[in-house]
Amino acid sequence: DTAVSQTPKYLVTQMGNDKSIKCEQNLGHDTMYWYKQDSKKFLKIMFSYNNKELIINETVPNRFSPKSPDKAHLNLHINSLELGDSAVYFCASSQFLGTGLTKYSYEQYFGPGTRLTVT
Amino acid sequence: SQKIEQNSEALNIQEGKTATLTCNYTNYSPAYLQWYRQDPGRGPVFLLLIRENEKEKRKERLKVTFDTTLKQSLFHITASQPADSATYLCALVSGSARQLTFGSGTQLTVLP
Repeated sequence: DTAVSQTPKYLVTQMGNDKSIKCEQNLGHDTMYWYKQDSKKFLKIMFSYNNKELIINETVPNRFSPKSPDKAHLNLHINSLELGDSAVYFCASSQFLGTGLTKYSYEQYFGPGTRLTVT
Repeated sequence: SQKIEQNSEALNIQEGKTATLTCNYTNYSPAYLQWYRQDPGRGPVFLLLIRENEKEKRKERLKVTFDTTLKQSLFHITASQPADSATYLCALVSGSARQLTFGSGTQLTVLP
């Protein structure tokens, strides 16, 4: 069974278009993430949702909007795509432990990635 | 500024030898450090976690050390095999943050 799945795996589109990437996890985790991996393989956090609440929102253009309809899903919508958005986007999930300010998570489980190419 | 550096972009070693990968960090106080493996076209896969108060962790042929004085973690693969060829990423979680920050990775190639 696939733990973290993403669709589509490949996305080729033109500048200016709007596109969405979907992510689902069946691990029962309460936290989900979106990462961007650029051509130099650097993996950078974009967003994180804990129990459907946005907890991490890094410096990302507001053309990127995450949406979490429930704990098992975190979708990424991108408006007005630009050439620089071309990258591999990974979804991940983890389980937070502890309470309040001492919450922490251990390992993250990553999806297979979505390779976005903007032409 | 905060920085995580992995020793080299690429490392080639002969099968059977021990591979040693380095992760150095500056301006972090990590609560713990993780190592991930990433194969081409796939997402990273968690390998090992070591906490700030632990010196060493082992799992099968893998060993991780964590020196908070040197601000460095070493990742060892003993008796390396061609199947160990992949990119290895270190990632830090600092005490106040609730997110992983990844290094840029080291691409390991084990030659038969």
